[in-house]
Amino acid sequence: GAGVSQSPRYKVAKRGQDVALRCDPISGHVSLFWYQQALGQGPEFLTYFQNEAQLDKSGLPSDRFFAERPEGSVSTLKIQRTQQEDSAVYLCASSLVVWAGGDATNEKLFFGSGTQLSVL
Amino acid sequence: QKEVEQNSGPLSVPEGAIASLNCTYSDRVSQSFFWYRQYSGKSPELIMSIYSNGDKEDGRFTAQLNKASQYVSLLIRDSQPSDSATYLCAVNTGGFKTIFGAGTRLFVKA
Repeated sequence: GAGVSQSPRYKVAKRGQDVALRCDPISGHVSLFWYQQALGQGPEFLTYFQNEAQLDKSGLPSDRFFAERPEGSVSTLKIQRTQQEDSAVYLCASSLVVWAGGDATNEKLFFGSGTQLSVL
Repeated sequence: QKEVEQNSGPLSVPEGAIASLNCTYSDRVSQSFFWYRQYSGKSPELIMSIYSNGDKEDGRFTAQLNKASQYVSLLIRDSQPSDSATYLCAVNTGGFKTIFGAGTRLFVKA
């Protein structure tokens, strides 16, 4: 597709429910990131994939959060036993090349429209 | 102390004026600096990146970096109502994690 696609656009979950959020990056993009953006805040890093390898998951807030990218393209962020504090917009971003700190023109991040998760 | 700090605003400027947005960061080893624009309900969009001290101009936008003082700024000349958005400052220290500030809301009055 032309851009980073995320689904669903909106998700309402009851507390304790498991959810799965999907990201379809731009075709051929090597790097894939997940960010969490709470209302009125900037995005916060969750995890980074280089192709299918998850190289950094230091931002995942708890072991209830799990991300995968098994074939190096589509990625899924799974949240188990959702809590109210998980309510946020989950943004996926991809980049054409291996991420090396962002100091190269072709390391530009392209963000998807996000999934707005509301946990009741 | 937050790693990337911005005044939340709102910053209100009249159409045609210069809007000045500021950002400070705490990690001295930061290498890459970015300004993203985010319209309400939309995803962030990169508008400027800067890596060395000084000014970088792109159309109506100028990014300024002062590593000694650990601040980054964004100037928007000839501000337009369509520039009304939240502007996110972001910093990378060379790893996979880009740290974002909370953003400054800008309103350009017609």
